[in-house]
Amino acid sequence: NAGVTQTPKFRILKIGQSMTLQCAQDMNHNYMYWYRQDPGMGLKLIYYSVGAGITDKGEVPNGYNVSRSTTEYFPLRLELAAPSQTSVYFCASSLTRGNQPQHFGDGTRLSIL
Amino acid sequence: AQTVTQSQPEMSVQEAETVTLSCTYDTSESDYYLFWYKQPPSRQMILVIRQEAYKQQNATENRFSVNFQKAAKSFSLKISDSQLGDAAMYFCAYRSAEVINAGNMLTFGGGTRLMVKP
Repeated sequence: NAGVTQTPKFRILKIGQSMTLQCAQDMNHNYMYWYRQDPGMGLKLIYYSVGAGITDKGEVPNGYNVSRSTTEYFPLRLELAAPSQTSVYFCASSLTRGNQPQHFGDGTRLSIL
Repeated sequence: AQTVTQSQPEMSVQEAETVTLSCTYDTSESDYYLFWYKQPPSRQMILVIRQEAYKQQNATENRFSVNFQKAAKSFSLKISDSQLGDAAMYFCAYRSAEVINAGNMLTFGGGTRLMVKP
């Protein structure tokens, strides 16, 4: 009963370092999303994917890249970490249409120092 | 673009009493879905309740119910018989149902922190 799994749960990076946040879902959902949540704020969409091989930018894509080679995995890449990217990152997935909600992972807390 | 506004940064309620959290949204679309998510200190995002815009009947899930006013673009959450475990951040979210909106992503409000007093 895994749902959406994110790794790692916590990470500290130095400015300029790179890393990949992993996201996997086992519900065969076509749609997947990456959000960031800054302290005391709601979630903002970074990137999304409507299926394997298809990705598109959300509201705050700068400084990030994604790929979707399979239905299950949707990694988020930070190339040159900056302090402004300190945030909690959530991956989510959903069925294509209808009122089905998005299922969220437990989040990754990322600090850039 | 759609926007979602939660005008109450914090709310407080006595255990066993009722509280209402406000949410308004702005959209030009006629077909959409609205959600309330709960985020406890564990950071999980937990779906509380959902509403389809084409339904006039307000959604209800046990102690949680909504007051959906489509013309006013208002979607408030009522929690009855509040329990200590209800203490959390609550987020209102909008999702387009328009076919042209391929991503069907959620647009979130800024959240309301609910405190429950014993």
